[in-house]
Amino acid sequence: QKEVEQNSGPLSVPEGAIASLNCTYSDRGSQSFFWYRQYSGKSPELIMSIYSNGDKEDGRFTAQLNKASQYVSLLIRDSQPSDSATYLCAAGATGGSYIPTFGRGTSLIVHP
Amino acid sequence: DAGVIQSPRHEVTEMGQEVTLRCKPISGHNSLFWYRQTMMRGLELLIYFNNNVPIDDSGMPEDRFSAKMPNASFSTLKIQPSEPRDSAVYFCASSFQTGAQETQYFGPGTRLLVL
Repeated sequence: QKEVEQNSGPLSVPEGAIASLNCTYSDRGSQSFFWYRQYSGKSPELIMSIYSNGDKEDGRFTAQLNKASQYVSLLIRDSQPSDSATYLCAAGATGGSYIPTFGRGTSLIVHP
Repeated sequence: DAGVIQSPRHEVTEMGQEVTLRCKPISGHNSLFWYRQTMMRGLELLIYFNNNVPIDDSGMPEDRFSAKMPNASFSTLKIQPSEPRDSAVYFCASSFQTGAQETQYFGPGTRLLVL
């Protein structure tokens, strides 16, 4: 069974710090990886996608992928209280249908 | 684009009643997903359509759940009869699949409460 594991948190960081969110996946054949942010009572929204090993940066966000270790991470630099949300990691399944498997999410709290 | 549209946004019903949730995907997208989210189980995929055809319905809990996609711009998820344990937020998401690179766009969700 394909699984995506995340620490549920909450992860609490002070404003301005770097928040590091981690995710592991079980399906070695996964090819696409996504980070979604979900505010309380809202729907998930995509913030980052990554398909190749290494780092991908977008503004204050950096996604890191290590396929050998089956590990994906999201770094949020200069964390702001508005970043407080649950972050869902998803791995794209293989086999022709590319249905993503979602983790349970990590709750991030950025305190002033 | 208006994004993925879901209706109703909130639904309160009594056990045993039929519930129908509706979704309009983003125009041009060829894949549609129905998810259920609860605190206990997180985000669960119920069913996935590609080009209006159900591809994977292994996540549908039981025969009380059914989903249809009669055309590229509309899908329904029906629960009959509903039970209190069906209470959850139901999300519809759509995407345009291009090989291994696809991004899902989620609708606002339907918050279902079965009494």
